[in-house]
Amino acid sequence: QLQLQESAPGLVKPSETLSLTCTVSGGSISSGSYYWSWIRQPAGKGLEWVGRLYTSGTTNYNPSLKSRVTISVDTSKNQFSLKLNSVTAADTAVYYCAREKLTIVYDAFDIWGQGTMVTVSS
Amino acid sequence: SSEVTQDPAVSVALGQTVRITCQGDSLRSYYASWYQQKPRQAPILVIYNKNNRPSGIPDRFSGSSSGNTASLTITGAQAEDEADYYCNSWDSSGNHVVFGGGTKLTVL
Repeated sequence: QLQLQESAPGLVKPSETLSLTCTVSGGSISSGSYYWSWIRQPAGKGLEWVGRLYTSGTTNYNPSLKSRVTISVDTSKNQFSLKLNSVTAADTAVYYCAREKLTIVYDAFDIWGQGTMVTVSS
Repeated sequence: SSEVTQDPAVSVALGQTVRITCQGDSLRSYYASWYQQKPRQAPILVIYNKNNRPSGIPDRFSGSSSGNTASLTITGAQAEDEADYYCNSWDSSGNHVVFGGGTKLTVL
């Protein structure tokens, strides 16, 4: 059974870079026609898609974050990562990694990590 | 602002039927997916591809779509269905994911 697990530092200082890694277990990140995404959720608020990656290297980012976001993959470690630079308090949120099935008629996040809380504070 | 919109809150009496809706222009071309999120838990997928349920999702959950509106229906709502529900689709470019703002379902 495929599982996703986020790892993160927890606390990041303003203006610095937030770095998250998602480890995929129970299957290969390279198998199947799936994308790998990051989604975040500020406390008490809704879900916000951050961006996605296909293991070929193709990426798409939320236009509101595009200038600050990079998503990359390490297939040898079965991991994908998120870097968000120049963070502010507005980036404080629970960050989820998720597997995404993307077709021409629907888009669904079928497996999620448990989420990790990242706080931006000095 | 989200390009798909949901009512902030809906309530239903125990055992009754409730419909949660998601509206947006992209839904004329794409099917919404629906997620259930309980407090302090990650979301779980409950409906995708209009009316498909992942393994383990009870058959009281169903989906439908008409025009610019997608609906999630719970037939015979249970106490454990009390949660936040989110839909997702694409933005006007067709390249980026958007989530609805979420609907808080209260089971009375």
